[in-house]
Amino acid sequence: DAGVIQSPRHEVTEMGQEVTLRCKPISGHDYLFWYRQTMMRGLELLIYFNNNVPIDDSGMPEDRFSAKMPNASFSTLKIQPSEPRDSAVYFCASTRGTGDHEQYFGPGTRLTVT
Amino acid sequence: AQSVTQPDIHITVSEGASLELRCNYSYGATPYLFWYVQSPGQGLQLLLKYFSGDTLVQGIKGFEAEFKRSQSSFNLRKPSVHWSDAAEYFCAVGQSNFGNEKLTFGTGTRLTIIP
Repeated sequence: DAGVIQSPRHEVTEMGQEVTLRCKPISGHDYLFWYRQTMMRGLELLIYFNNNVPIDDSGMPEDRFSAKMPNASFSTLKIQPSEPRDSAVYFCASTRGTGDHEQYFGPGTRLTVT
Repeated sequence: AQSVTQPDIHITVSEGASLELRCNYSYGATPYLFWYVQSPGQGLQLLLKYFSGDTLVQGIKGFEAEFKRSQSSFNLRKPSVHWSDAAEYFCAVGQSNFGNEKLTFGTGTRLTIIP
């Protein structure tokens, strides 16, 4: 299995632009998680899905952030408009949902907003 | 709600020395406990996990961890570290009720290895 795939690996954009981060979970995994990692706040859970349905989005910082999962093999995290404080590494993770809680992480997308 | 505390932000050890990274959790029932490692520029990789049974669990890369319910701890150990162990280490706790796959992560401990 290729593991969790994220794209792009690096994104540099200007303040005010729309940013879309993409994630392909491991095939057969029913749960998908989006995290944000910064030096100041560490690893934060933004939102997670079960069978493509958002379960908990309480970690989404503002309305500028939105996430979708149109099918079992694809999810997006969109920031519109982006701000410099959104600069971070964004991780996607997936898990089977059989109760073992073992999350598999993607390599992350490093976002820089100038 | 569960929580995890990693009291050491940064630890430096000599290559070949033993290592112990501390983790304390807060959760009302028996927790699911994890240690993940993150190398620079990489995602998190699972080192080991505890669900039930033997309180001493073995993981990859020669790591082990011991669950101590009385101390609410799940410390990570390695008898002899290698330079390649330099990374960030995260402890995490999950709820044991089926259907809740969410993990709560600690703030991490950065490990530096000196020759």
